[in-house]
Amino acid sequence: RKEVEQDPGPFNVPEGATVAFNCTYSNSASQSFFWYRQDCRKEPKLLMSVYSSGNEDGRFTAQLNRASQYISLLIRDSKLSDSATYLCVGDNYGQNFVFGPGTRLSVLP
Amino acid sequence: SQTIHQWPATLVQPVGSPLSLECTVEGTSNPNLYWYRQAAGRGLQLLFYSVGIGQISSEVPQNLSASRPQDRQFILSSKKLLLSDSGFYLCAWSVFGNTEAFFGQGTRLTVV
Repeated sequence: RKEVEQDPGPFNVPEGATVAFNCTYSNSASQSFFWYRQDCRKEPKLLMSVYSSGNEDGRFTAQLNRASQYISLLIRDSKLSDSATYLCVGDNYGQNFVFGPGTRLSVLP
Repeated sequence: SQTIHQWPATLVQPVGSPLSLECTVEGTSNPNLYWYRQAAGRGLQLLFYSVGIGQISSEVPQNLSASRPQDRQFILSSKKLLLSDSGFYLCAWSVFGNTEAFFGQGTRLTVV
C-alpha cells in the first residue's frame, strides 16, 4: 500500500468552479502535512500547510482529518492559472517527507 | 532569506558515464537536505536525505550515492549511469523538525 495516495485525475473544470481534492495517508505517526503545487517541468512549490483545525488562504482551504487519515484541498472560483498538479505531502516519522503521486487539475476557459 | 541552488538544469549523459549533481543552500544553518527523483508523469521518490555533515540515509537501493561534505552542500553521484536513471532530480531543504521543504529548480537528466 502506498503511503500517500491521491486520485491522479485529471480534473477538468470550468473557470469559476469549485474543485476538491482528497488524499489519504497510511502512517498514523505523521505529524506535518502540506499541499504543494507543481507546474509542468518545474519544481514543486509549497501551496499551504495543513493543520488539524483547518486553514484557509484566499481561495484555498485545507483540512486534515486524523481519525480517517485524510487531507483535503478545496479551491474556490478556479482560475486558468490554477492548472497544475497538486501534491499531497506527509512527514515520515519527522525525518523526511513522503509525496503523493499528485492530482492533475486543468481549468478550462 | 534562504535560497537553494541546483545545477545543471539539464544534462544528457551516455550510459555508463559518471554523474555529479550539486546542490547548495544559502541563508540557513544545519538544514535537512534531500534528493528526490521524479520519473516522467510520476510522483516524487525520495532517494537520500541528510540531517548533518557526513550523515546520509538512503531510501532505495540503486547505483546512486550522495555525500554532504559541507553543511549546506549536497551532492548526488553515480559511477556508471543506467538508462533507468533518467528523470527529474530535485534537491530540497527543510529546517529540523520538518516544517515545509523548499526545492531547487531541478536537473532534468537524460541518459542515452
